[in-house]
Amino acid sequence: QKEVEQDPGPLSVPEGAIVSLNCTYSNSAFQYFMWYRQYSRKGPELLMYTYSSGNKEDGRFTAQVDKSSKYISLFIRDSQPSDSATYLCALSDTNAGKSTFGDGTTLTVKP
Amino acid sequence: GAVVSQHPSRVICKSGTSVKIECRSLDFQATTMFWYRQFPKKSLMLMATSNEGSKATYEQGVEKDKFLINHASLTLSTLTVTSAHPEDSSFYICSARDWRPGRNSPLHFGNGTRLTVT
Repeated sequence: QKEVEQDPGPLSVPEGAIVSLNCTYSNSAFQYFMWYRQYSRKGPELLMYTYSSGNKEDGRFTAQVDKSSKYISLFIRDSQPSDSATYLCALSDTNAGKSTFGDGTTLTVKP
Repeated sequence: GAVVSQHPSRVICKSGTSVKIECRSLDFQATTMFWYRQFPKKSLMLMATSNEGSKATYEQGVEKDKFLINHASLTLSTLTVTSAHPEDSSFYICSARDWRPGRNSPLHFGNGTRLTVT
């Protein structure tokens, strides 16, 4: 079993829809939770960074962490065609340690 | 904000030759940098941790003699793929942590290097 599971999709939604992206994990030591967006042929770009459980909001993006369920989510409101990309979750047990990545979910937002 | 620059973005080389990829932290110092490899439609696979002034730490299964890492300064790490073979063709990405106060030190990534070995 992988340490981090992420549905690869692909996920296709109409413009303006709310998108929900999720990862589950098995290592209870993970405390730092990140979401990255990766456009084709580019490096990952940090979207959200969360420590421990709870919610964090930044513009149209909301990250949720439920450590009791070992489940993290990224919500995108009012999705735009420019949001079309691969979204990777990344988890770490320390602030300085290695991050373990999900396989990424490919999202397409259709105009 | 933090920027990690990677060069070249794309390189094509012949089998048996060596290729050097540079990773620079442009506005912060990075004592540690990470090198990843990414296959099409797959996630990032950590290859090694590059430590400034000391030897790199390689992940299990990664050949240290094939993937030479040098972290000679606080802003530069290099990955050299030696005696490249077609199976080394991949997308190589570096990352570094920004430890400046208030930055929460997440990983920032370069834009990657697409290596094609013919």
